[in-house]
Amino acid sequence: QKEVEQDPGPLSVPEGAIVSLNCTYSNSAFQYFMWYRQYSRKGPELLMYTYSSGNKEDGRFTAQVDKSSKYISLFIRDSQPSDSATYLCAMSVYNFNKFYFGSGTKLNVKP
Amino acid sequence: EPEVTQTPSHQVTQMGQEVILRCVPISNHLYFYWYRQILGQKVEFLVSFYNNEISEKSEIFDDQFSVERPDGSNFTLKIRSTKLEDSAMYFCASSELGTGELFFGEGSRLTVL
Repeated sequence: QKEVEQDPGPLSVPEGAIVSLNCTYSNSAFQYFMWYRQYSRKGPELLMYTYSSGNKEDGRFTAQVDKSSKYISLFIRDSQPSDSATYLCAMSVYNFNKFYFGSGTKLNVKP
Repeated sequence: EPEVTQTPSHQVTQMGQEVILRCVPISNHLYFYWYRQILGQKVEFLVSFYNNEISEKSEIFDDQFSVERPDGSNFTLKIRSTKLEDSAMYFCASSELGTGELFFGEGSRLTVL
């Protein structure tokens, strides 16, 4: 079983839609959870970071962590064509020695 | 805004040659990492570095790979004898002590011919 599972997509939505991106994980020791946006041939850009269960909101983005189900989500409200990118989830145990990445979900927001 | 910088942005080399990829992490960060991403594939962990020593390394990070922090600002990845399968985008990342927020550079694209 992979440490982190993420649906690769692609996910295609119209502009203005609410987007839901998800990851599941198997290691209950994961405590820190991140979402990254990666444009083609660029480095991953940190979008959201959380270390607890529950919701965290930043502008149009909401990160949700459910440790009991080992499930994390990223919601994008009022999606824009500029949101078209690959979204990566990542997570770590307490010591930050290694961050485990999902395979990424490719999102296309159509004008 | 502070950022992780990497050089070169693209390097082409012949199989068997040595390559050094350079990174300048964010200045107050203490954890340093190298990841790589083969085109179209997932981001893979190579190595983490803290307090001037390797914290953890993956099975990819064999004897052909080494890391060094030669001074107070640079963090380097050396591949001694490159193979075709080393062709990938190599990302340097850094993290501040205790936060877990991981910031990436723009990457160095390595092409091995």
